[in-house]
Amino acid sequence: SQTIHQWPATLVQPVGSPLSLECTVEGTSNPNLYWYRQAAGRGLQLLFYSVGIGQISSEVPQNLSASRPQDRQFILSSKKLLLSDSGFYLCARGGAYEQYFGPGTRLTVT
Amino acid sequence: GIQVEQSPPDLILQEGANSTLRCNFSDSVNNLQWFHQNPWGQLINLFYIPSGTKQNGRLSATTVATERYSLLYISSSQTTDSGVYFCAVRGAGGTSYGKLTFGQGTILTVHP
Repeated sequence: SQTIHQWPATLVQPVGSPLSLECTVEGTSNPNLYWYRQAAGRGLQLLFYSVGIGQISSEVPQNLSASRPQDRQFILSSKKLLLSDSGFYLCARGGAYEQYFGPGTRLTVT
Repeated sequence: GIQVEQSPPDLILQEGANSTLRCNFSDSVNNLQWFHQNPWGQLINLFYIPSGTKQNGRLSATTVATERYSLLYISSSQTTDSGVYFCAVRGAGGTSYGKLTFGQGTILTVHP
């Protein structure tokens, strides 16, 4: 099966602290990978996507960055978190036709 | 970029009722998906339906691509149908790399 794992499931971090969220995909090679953020329970916004190792495209300017060190690993990072970075972060992989989503990480910045 | 509008924003039903959710999009698409977000936040794929009609149990969906809208039908609703329903599309033009644009969702509450 093609499973998407996200770690951690929940995270509470103070303002100004660093961030690293991890997404790993099983059962597929060279997938398109995506990071989305959902704020206030409505609407998902695409943050980054990657079509291969080391290839990252950013959709919106922000305090976050992404990296793809391995074929099936996608990492979302920040050097210094802002209050506005709070939200629900979802990783997705692109199939032949559909996108499939991981379970998400709920981030609260205090 | 492509715009996606969903209606209604909120919907409250009694168990057993039927409902129709609508998704309008502003340009041609080559991917349209319906998702259900459960209370734990997991996005569950309901339909991949860039055109035509599909049915899965009590749920069915129709996309009329030429008129740029899609409908999700829920029949004999159950309390477990509660949650947020999202429509997401991928524009047909240009190099999109599969990126999806989401609507704002419909929050469905089904009371027993």
